[in-house]
Amino acid sequence: QKEVEQDPGPLSVPEGAIVSLNCTYSNSAFQYFMWYRQYSRKGPELLMYTYSSGNKEDGRFTAQVDKSSKYISLFIRDSQPSDSATYLCAMSALYNNDMRFGAGTRLTVKP
Amino acid sequence: DSGVTQTPKHLITATGQRVTLRCSPRSGDLSVYWYQQSLDQGLQFLIQYYNGEERAKGNILERFSAQQFPDLHSELNLSSLELGDSALYFCASSVSGTANTGELFFGEGSRLTVL
Repeated sequence: QKEVEQDPGPLSVPEGAIVSLNCTYSNSAFQYFMWYRQYSRKGPELLMYTYSSGNKEDGRFTAQVDKSSKYISLFIRDSQPSDSATYLCAMSALYNNDMRFGAGTRLTVKP
Repeated sequence: DSGVTQTPKHLITATGQRVTLRCSPRSGDLSVYWYQQSLDQGLQFLIQYYNGEERAKGNILERFSAQQFPDLHSELNLSSLELGDSALYFCASSVSGTANTGELFFGEGSRLTVL
């Protein structure tokens, strides 16, 4: 079993839909949770960062962390074709620079 | 544009050969991280340097080595290449010595193909 599990998709939704992306993890030491977005032929870029449990909202994006269930989510509201990319979850433990990434979910938003 | 520069963008070589990948971090960033991205393994952390010194090590093979120079650029050396080393190699940089803040800035990667 991988430390971080993420459904690779692909996921295809119509423009304007609400998108839900999820990751589960097994290491209870993880305290820092990130979502990166990676466009085709580009490097990942940080989208959302959350420390410990809770929700964080930034525009159309909401990140949720449930440490008791070892489950994190990223919601995208009013999805746009420009949101089409691969979304990677990432997490790390305190004082540990070995950030663990999920395999990434490929999302396509159709006009 | 993240400000992180990686060269070369593409590299094709044969098994048994040695290659060097180069990374220039964002101006002011002291940390450089190297990651390997393959289809079946996702993004795997290889190694981190902070201000010239090795700070953390991940799943880096003994055939691979890296260093960070006084001007903070970094090189990843891959030797005795095998078919399975074919992957995208990313460099990321950050201002701090820890990845916990999550703010890693990634380059566009070097695509290595081993034939």
